[in-house]
Amino acid sequence: NAGVTQTPKFQVLKTGQSMTLQCAQDMNHEYMSWYRQDPGMGLRLIHYSVGAGITDQGEVPNGYNVSRSTTEDFPLRLLSAAPSQTSVYFCASSTPDRGGGYTFGSGTRLTVV
Amino acid sequence: GNSVTQMEGPVTLSEEAFLTINCTYTATGYPSLFWYVQYPGEGLQLLLKATKADDKGSNKGFEATYRKETTSFHLEKGSVQVSDSAVYFCALLTPPGGTSYGKLTFGQGTILTVHP
Repeated sequence: NAGVTQTPKFQVLKTGQSMTLQCAQDMNHEYMSWYRQDPGMGLRLIHYSVGAGITDQGEVPNGYNVSRSTTEDFPLRLLSAAPSQTSVYFCASSTPDRGGGYTFGSGTRLTVV
Repeated sequence: GNSVTQMEGPVTLSEEAFLTINCTYTATGYPSLFWYVQYPGEGLQLLLKATKADDKGSNKGFEATYRKETTSFHLEKGSVQVSDSAVYFCALLTPPGGTSYGKLTFGQGTILTVHP
């Protein structure tokens, strides 16, 4: 049982490049979410999903796309990287139970130069 | 929409001092409430939770009580240790039955530093 696995752990991109941050969970969780965490700031929700085929925007969705074709995977796509997207990205998953609580991955540290 | 407000930090305490970190929320319906902890250089770990009014969540000496009348979920610990130094986040989960269900909303986080 690996929990929530994020890859890569570190990435450097050039402005304008695109890439996909991978997130997979093996707990059969219906809920999955992506957050970004910037220095001195809390966690801001980018996109979330309550099941395969269902996604919704969070607070800061611009510049990011998601899809949820399977229960296990929830990739985050950066369409055209910008320096403002330099951040640490966390993926998380949860059951729909009221007390489920989200389980977080270890994060991807992304730098856009 | 739903929101969470935490007390401003940073909080600096001496070992064995009493800790309170205030958290209040705004939500429709009956959300579940959580405290998460983030140790330096690590991801977030669930510290404790409460799913209904008057529930008390507890773990590792930390406690928080779900107070619906004051829309609060304050974190407390009777005697902090140096190893408790971390960032603490209050969060609420929108339950099924309304819009934005499944969404976990965080407060801004409170940095706690405990000195020997």
